Amino acid sequence: KQEVTQIPAALSVPEGENLVLNCSFTDSAIYNLQWFRQDPGKGLTSLLLIQSSQREQTSGRLNASLDKSSGRSTLYIAASQPGDSATYLCAAPMDSSYKLIFGSGTRLLVRP
Amino acid sequence: DAGITQSPRHKVTETGTPVTLRCHQTENHRYMYWYRQDPGHGLRLIHYSYGVKDTDKGEVSDGYSVSRSKTEDFLLTLESATSSQTSVYFCALRPTGGNTGELFFGEGSRLTVL
Repeated sequence: KQEVTQIPAALSVPEGENLVLNCSFTDSAIYNLQWFRQDPGKGLTSLLLIQSSQREQTSGRLNASLDKSSGRSTLYIAASQPGDSATYLCAAPMDSSYKLIFGSGTRLLVRP
Repeated sequence: DAGITQSPRHKVTETGTPVTLRCHQTENHRYMYWYRQDPGHGLRLIHYSYGVKDTDKGEVSDGYSVSRSKTEDFLLTLESATSSQTSVYFCALRPTGGNTGELFFGEGSRLTVL
């Protein structure tokens, strides 16, 4: 059964810092891995999707990597800004129906 | 924006009353999901639909039923609401084309059961 873990639970950094958020999963036979952003009281916004056959995906200042052998994905945020403050969630499908299993999230605060 | 609308966005109800949450999509996608989000538990799957009248239970389906009588609407019903069902409920869909497996979420429905 797929399990997804995110560490740390919370992170506070000064503006401009480059940072890495971590996501671990237990089943390396992964279909894909998806990163989301959630602002307080809001829904989930899809940031990046990495397919099983890919090593990384990039969107603007965001870069997500996938290492199936180690069961890890990382989300790299370059030159962080206060507007990046949010909770970041990673999720992996439990099977081919793409029912997602979510990590508990990392709450990020970027201080001006 | 995947064209998902959830209603109501906020609801307060009393224990024992029935509640129906609606998820509406505008693009005829086949796959839809209902999740709940709770502090300390994160997001958990309640039910899943893979087509009209085709549904499957998720991790936390007890106390919930769903219906999908037409492609655009996926309804989540609490037959007799309990305080433990106080939560934020999210609907998601997976676009049928492209085969990427990417899910898109609605804005959520906040339910309080007194």
